[in-house]
Amino acid sequence: ETGVTQTPRHLVMGMTNKKSLKCEQHLGHNAMYWYKQSAKKPLELMFVYNFKEQTENNSVPSRFSPECPNSSHLFLHLHTLQPEDSALYLCASSQDWRLRVNTEAFFGQGTRLTVV
Amino acid sequence: TQLLEQSPQFLSIQEGENLTVYCNSSSVFSSLQWYRQEPGEGPVLLVTVVTGGEVKKLKRLTFQFGDARKDSSLHITAAQPGDTGLYLCAGADAAGNKLTFGGGTRVLVKP
Repeated sequence: ETGVTQTPRHLVMGMTNKKSLKCEQHLGHNAMYWYKQSAKKPLELMFVYNFKEQTENNSVPSRFSPECPNSSHLFLHLHTLQPEDSALYLCASSQDWRLRVNTEAFFGQGTRLTVV
Repeated sequence: TQLLEQSPQFLSIQEGENLTVYCNSSSVFSSLQWYRQEPGEGPVLLVTVVTGGEVKKLKRLTFQFGDARKDSSLHITAAQPGDTGLYLCAGADAAGNKLTFGGGTRVLVKP
């Protein structure tokens, strides 16, 4: 248990569906992240939020829409996804978005997403 | 774009054997982290190395940061089945604003 909780753990959705992934942290961290982990690529940073403000969007398609209502919660809204979007989506948090020395990123267990 | 190459991609060994995993880049990193990810879980931080040439030990795991801060290695002595997992290195850029992950090395330790 890292203190970062993601729901659901598994999700199967059709290409015309709309779904949301949820991430929650009670570590008092100010920064939250969405990463995509697929079988054939390194862990890819998607979005970074610091104090609820988006500080980075790593050229992510608009079919992925993040929302950060407060420092403890982060959502990833999904719509009209493609089969190639199937992957493990990991949420992480850290004390500060500037990854200074000894700043640790705490990861959730991920949501395994399958788009059919 | 800073890239981190990990090698090998997959390693299968018997319990009690030693192994080394490498993380290489042409870029300089301000610090480098090693994570282990077990099936069904997110990555968990093992260590952060900061100084060129630094060596850190965590029980049977030894981490080294290259003198030029472009590469790192992880050595496991007398591996155990509990060491099985995906080992990821991640480098922080000069400003410390971004973590770039390597592709990972999947380690399987057979009893």
